[in-house]
Amino acid sequence: AQSVTQLGSHVSVSEGALVLLRCNYSSSVPPYLFWYVQYPNQGLQLLLKYTSAATLVKGINGFEAEFKKSETSFHLTKPSAHMSDAAEYFCAVSDRWSSGDKLTFGTGTRLAVRP
Amino acid sequence: DGGITQSPKYLFRKEGQNVTLSCEQNLNHDAMYWYRQDPGQGLRLIYYSQIVNDFQKGDIAEGYSVSREKKESFPLTVTSAQKNPTAFYLCASTGITEAFFGQGTRLTVV
Repeated sequence: AQSVTQLGSHVSVSEGALVLLRCNYSSSVPPYLFWYVQYPNQGLQLLLKYTSAATLVKGINGFEAEFKKSETSFHLTKPSAHMSDAAEYFCAVSDRWSSGDKLTFGTGTRLAVRP
Repeated sequence: DGGITQSPKYLFRKEGQNVTLSCEQNLNHDAMYWYRQDPGQGLRLIYYSQIVNDFQKGDIAEGYSVSREKKESFPLTVTSAQKNPTAFYLCASTGITEAFFGQGTRLTVV
């Protein structure tokens, strides 16, 4: 069975500081990995995804994530936080990617950005 | 524009009532999903359907029911058997490259 662990349910950074949100996965097969962002009372928006191509994945809004098989990690980073980045972030895993495959989500990390 | 529409955005249910949450997509996706979101618990899968007239239970199906009579529609009924239905409900569908989510329905028991 697949699983995702997000370390830190709440992360607070200053505006302009580095953002690092941690995600570790467990999967018996090569995984497909995703990061989603959710603003209050809204659905989820895809930030980026890893589908076995390049290990460093660039997404929207300046975010990127690196797939590290040896560490079973897929941490999300952004060099400089902006106030508009304040939201909840979810890491998700799937054991293959085709229509009909389920995503398993982590419990989420709420990012706060201080002025 | 293609997308997923959930309605209503807010829903109030009296104890003992069944309520139905609507989910419609015009993305021509075969697979659709219902997730429940509670604070600190992430998203948990309730039901999913990979094709019309077929659906499977997810991790927390008890107290819920679904139907998939049309490709575009995947309504979720929260029955009176669901003892703690207050939550945020998200519908999703999957295409070739990613999953798309609706804007959610917040259900509150009054």
